[in-house]
Amino acid sequence: AQSVAQPEDQVNVAEGNPLTVKCTYSVSGNPYLFWYVQYPNRGLQFLLKYITGDNLVKGSYGFEAEFNKSQTSFHLKKPSALVSDSALYFCAVRDGYGGYQKVTFGIGTKLQVIP
Amino acid sequence: GAVVSQHPSRVICKSGTSVKIECRSLDFQATTMFWYRQFPKKSLMLMATSNEGSKATYEQGVEKDKFLINHASLTLSTLTVTSAHPEDSSFYICSARVKALGTDTQYFGPGTRLTVL
Repeated sequence: AQSVAQPEDQVNVAEGNPLTVKCTYSVSGNPYLFWYVQYPNRGLQFLLKYITGDNLVKGSYGFEAEFNKSQTSFHLKKPSALVSDSALYFCAVRDGYGGYQKVTFGIGTKLQVIP
Repeated sequence: GAVVSQHPSRVICKSGTSVKIECRSLDFQATTMFWYRQFPKKSLMLMATSNEGSKATYEQGVEKDKFLINHASLTLSTLTVTSAHPEDSSFYICSARVKALGTDTQYFGPGTRLTVL
């Protein structure tokens, strides 16, 4: 069965510092990986996805994520955090093998950027 | 960016009744829409993928007879929770997929809070 782990319930980072939100996954075949962000009172937004190709994926708002097959990770990163990045971040995975597969979400990581 | 609306934003209903939630793409056409459910501890679940003019594809474990999805046009998908029960109380979110040259993204609606008494 496929699974996603976001090992940190909350990540605190100072404004201007680089941020990383961790995600690891487990699938049978090739993973399709996604990051979503939920801002307070603003709803959910799609950030980026990895299907195939370049391991470094660039997304919205200056975020990027790196697919690491050997470590089965897809950590979300940003070089310089903004207070406005404070939100709830979800990682998701779908197994790309064998036709249509369920999408599994992580439990979410709350990012707090401190001014 | 593209705008997706949901109606109603909140609904309270009695157990056993049915509730319809609408999801509209306001300034673009969406051949594919998704329905999600968010639980009280914030975890998300994709319920189904709705394609215009065809039957929805439900995720494993989601009852298709209970959560009826209709994608009748390129700008409207509806989710009907039939014979709702208190355990169906949740936050339901839709999204619309936009696939164009060089982009493949989703725009989310603001969500609908369903409370079943």
